[in-house]
Amino acid sequence: DAEITQSPRHKITETGRQVTLACHQTWNHNNMFWYRQDLGHGLRLIHYSYGVQDTNKGEVSDGYSVSRSNTEDLPLTLESAASSQTSVYFCASSESGLAGGTDTQYFGPGTRLTVL
Amino acid sequence: GNSVTQMEGPVTLSEEAFLTINCTYTATGYPSLFWYVQYPGEGLQLLLKATKADDKGSNKGFEATYRKETTSFHLEKGSVQVSDSAVYFCDFVGGGTSYGKLTFGQGTILTVHP
Repeated sequence: DAEITQSPRHKITETGRQVTLACHQTWNHNNMFWYRQDLGHGLRLIHYSYGVQDTNKGEVSDGYSVSRSNTEDLPLTLESAASSQTSVYFCASSESGLAGGTDTQYFGPGTRLTVL
Repeated sequence: GNSVTQMEGPVTLSEEAFLTINCTYTATGYPSLFWYVQYPGEGLQLLLKATKADDKGSNKGFEATYRKETTSFHLEKGSVQVSDSAVYFCDFVGGGTSYGKLTFGQGTILTVHP
């Protein structure tokens, strides 16, 4: 069955370190998204991609970067981790045609990141 | 800009009670509307959706009707169970510059007691 996976599921790191969170989907979806979930803020969009070599900034992109070299993967990198980036991170994917914007997003299980 | 206003929680109900979680949205054009559910320790999963005005989405006894005139998509269930305890998110996906992107509400925590 097709799925979307994230790794690691839990990560503890120190301030200033570079961290990369992996997201892999086997749906063959064009669209992929990274969100962070914090109490009182719901889910907020960090970065997203509509296809290979395409990346776009979301509402809370500062301090994060992504790259899309193939359809299946969208790794999220924290260039220099900060305590404010302690959060739960969710990756999602969706299939969407040129008409756009109506398709369901499928979420990964999440990565709990703690920055000490 | 685009936004979702969702009923604040937490909501605490007894088993078999009626549930309503209100949701209204602000968006340009004709968004698709979704309710996602997050069970403890898990990611989000789609509960139901509606893609055009007057559509009713339904799943697992939950229902929501796309009301364009009131820009609402309220979630209802006639008889909740303990297993429905979770966080519920109202969301929409717009077109144009919001193509493909979900705009999330804050989430409503539902706790159902036996």
